[in-house]
Amino acid sequence: KAGVTQTPRYLIKTRGQQVTLSCSPISGHRSVSWYQQTPGQGLQFLFEYFSETQRNKGNFPGRFSGRQFSNSRSEMNVSTLELGDSALYLCASSGTAGGYGYTFGSGTRLTVV
Amino acid sequence: GDSVTQMEGPVTLSEEAFLTINCTYTATGYPSLFWYVQYPGEGLQLLLKATKADDKGSNKGFEATYRKETTSFHLEKGSVQVSDSAVYFCALSDNNQGGKLIFGQGTELSVKP
Repeated sequence: KAGVTQTPRYLIKTRGQQVTLSCSPISGHRSVSWYQQTPGQGLQFLFEYFSETQRNKGNFPGRFSGRQFSNSRSEMNVSTLELGDSALYLCASSGTAGGYGYTFGSGTRLTVV
Repeated sequence: GDSVTQMEGPVTLSEEAFLTINCTYTATGYPSLFWYVQYPGEGLQLLLKATKADDKGSNKGFEATYRKETTSFHLEKGSVQVSDSAVYFCALSDNNQGGKLIFGQGTELSVKP
C-alpha cells in the first residue's frame, strides 16, 4: 500500500514569504503529526491532528499552523518565513490515536534565503 | 517534562561488530518506547517498539528491552553490516498525549567493511 506522501520534496522561499506543505497519510490513517528536523534542535514536534481536530501542539510560534481535511490529508503553513525556519519537515500518520508506531514520509526540505 | 537522552555519536564500527546504542528516558507516566532509523535523504522508519515494561522489541536483528527500573531502552545488534549505517533515534510517546513523539538527539552509526 502507498506510504505517507509529502509534497513538495524541496522548496526554496525568501524570508518574509509564507509556505504551505502537504501531507497525504496512509489510506485509513486518521492521525497525522508534523515534526521539524534541524541539525541544531533535532526532531521537534509541531502538532498532531486526529479526525480534523488538533489534539496536541508543540512549542512553536503562531506563525506555524496546520489543518486536516475530512479525507485525513493535512497541510501545514508557515507565515512570515525566517532563516531559522530552514529545516526538513516530516509528516507521520498512524491508524490509532496514540503513538503506537507512526509511519513517516520522506519529508519536505525547506530552505529560506 | 518528558525527555530522551541518547549516547552521542558518531559511532564507527567494523562489519560484524557488536552494536549498543544507549538510550535513557524521563517520563511521568508509562510511555511507549521506539527506535527509528533514518537513512541519508529519507524520512524516519520505525525499527522496533515496546509498549510496556520488560517488553522486548526486535526487528532485522536489532533488539531493545524496555527497562522501567533503569528507565532505559538500549538498542543492540549482534553483528552489524555496512547497510546498517544510518542515524538512529530513540523516542517515547506518553500514552496520555496521543501521538506526540519525543525524540533523542540521534546517534550516527558508520559501519566500515
